[in-house]
Amino acid sequence: EPEVTQTPSHQVTQMGQEVILRCVPISNHLYFYWYRQILGQKVEFLVSFYNNEISEKSEIFDDQFSVERPDGSNFTLKIRSTKLEDSAMYFCASSGDRAHTGELFFGEGSRLTVL
Amino acid sequence: KNEVEQSPQNLTAQEGEFITINCSYSVGISALHWLQQHPGGGIVSLFMLSSGKKKHGRLIATINIQEKHSSLHITASHPRDSAVYICAVLQGAQKLVFGQGTRLTINP
Repeated sequence: EPEVTQTPSHQVTQMGQEVILRCVPISNHLYFYWYRQILGQKVEFLVSFYNNEISEKSEIFDDQFSVERPDGSNFTLKIRSTKLEDSAMYFCASSGDRAHTGELFFGEGSRLTVL
Repeated sequence: KNEVEQSPQNLTAQEGEFITINCSYSVGISALHWLQQHPGGGIVSLFMLSSGKKKHGRLIATINIQEKHSSLHITASHPRDSAVYICAVLQGAQKLVFGQGTRLTINP
């Protein structure tokens, strides 16, 4: 069964460092998403991506965050200068159609710890 | 006030019991998702609803758009159903707003 894969599964970094989280969505999917979940809190939407551009983003997704699809298969989330409060589990998801009409497939998540 | 409220927050039941988890939302939506989060953290989509009722195996999901309410039912519950169940509503075209989750524990 096709799946969304994320790397790394866990990354520890120092405050102020740049971090790139990688995702390989399901190959024929068109819509891609990043979500985050701070420990003990609910999942939060960060950004959606379609046709090589951001289609929607939340207030959390500020100038420190960026996404790109560099090679047609990977979908990356970059945090330019990490803060302590960026520590969270980051989930990538993809769908063949928009989130409201299609099933969402999630990766297993990347846990980011900022020290 | 949270836009998506789930109840109960925690639920413990015995194997075989019928389980109901509720989700109420206060905003206009185009669809609603039920998700399952495993103890290890991974998330699996269970249902996407925009009206009516859907059934998959022992799981049933219903939605009442007028009352802004959805329920997830599990029949003949089993310890492997133990997980966090999350309701998420779609606002606009792409943005999902998540509930805080319901932690379900099924004891053998």
